[in-house]
Amino acid sequence: DTEVTQTPKHLVMGMTNKKSLKCEQHMGHRAMYWYKQKAKKPPELMFVYSYEKLSINESVPSRFSPECPNSSLLNLHLHALQPEDSALYLCASSPQIGASTDTQYFGPGTRLTVL
Amino acid sequence: GENVEQHPSTLSVQEGDSAVIKCTYSDSASNYFPWYKQELGKRPQLIIDIRSNVGEKKDQRIAVTLNKTAKHFSLHITETQPEDSAVYFCAARYFGNEKLTFGTGTRLTIIP
Repeated sequence: DTEVTQTPKHLVMGMTNKKSLKCEQHMGHRAMYWYKQKAKKPPELMFVYSYEKLSINESVPSRFSPECPNSSLLNLHLHALQPEDSALYLCASSPQIGASTDTQYFGPGTRLTVL
Repeated sequence: GENVEQHPSTLSVQEGDSAVIKCTYSDSASNYFPWYKQELGKRPQLIIDIRSNVGEKKDQRIAVTLNKTAKHFSLHITETQPEDSAVYFCAARYFGNEKLTFGTGTRLTIIP
């Protein structure tokens, strides 16, 4: 399996809802990432997990809460979001940090709309 | 931190002609430079990457060149085809740094 998968593909939620985004990879990668991408912009890094530990939080508001239950799974829990949080949320993985084989591979993303 | 500038922001090329996209980076420690292609509504897909111990890398119609002294790298697409139409992002980072810094993107349109 050489893919990163994400569910759901689309999500519409109200500002008072709680929802979760899921990401999965079975390539044995030990680093996983969450990115946010607005239209016509590059992906913007949110969080990095390395060996299941949070290693980077790019000053993301607490209404976004990441979780890495095991080396294959990455979740992003959403609560009390704002309309400006509407975006494409991309998950990525790479073999490991700090090695020559650290290419990042992206999942298809979850298109999130906050009403 | 690293800063990556990318030009042009839009590029229209006649089918069969070549396209060149250029990026400049600021951190001389950066040593890994990938290029991603993103079609509308799809994921960014890695199309080619280069490490700072080489100056050029080719994969069929795609090539990347790196000038470490000038701190810039370029993507070259030859014999362009309609399916090359997409947004292309360059990026840079150094080994050991988890953060990949992206350029602002180039929208490439191939005119049939």
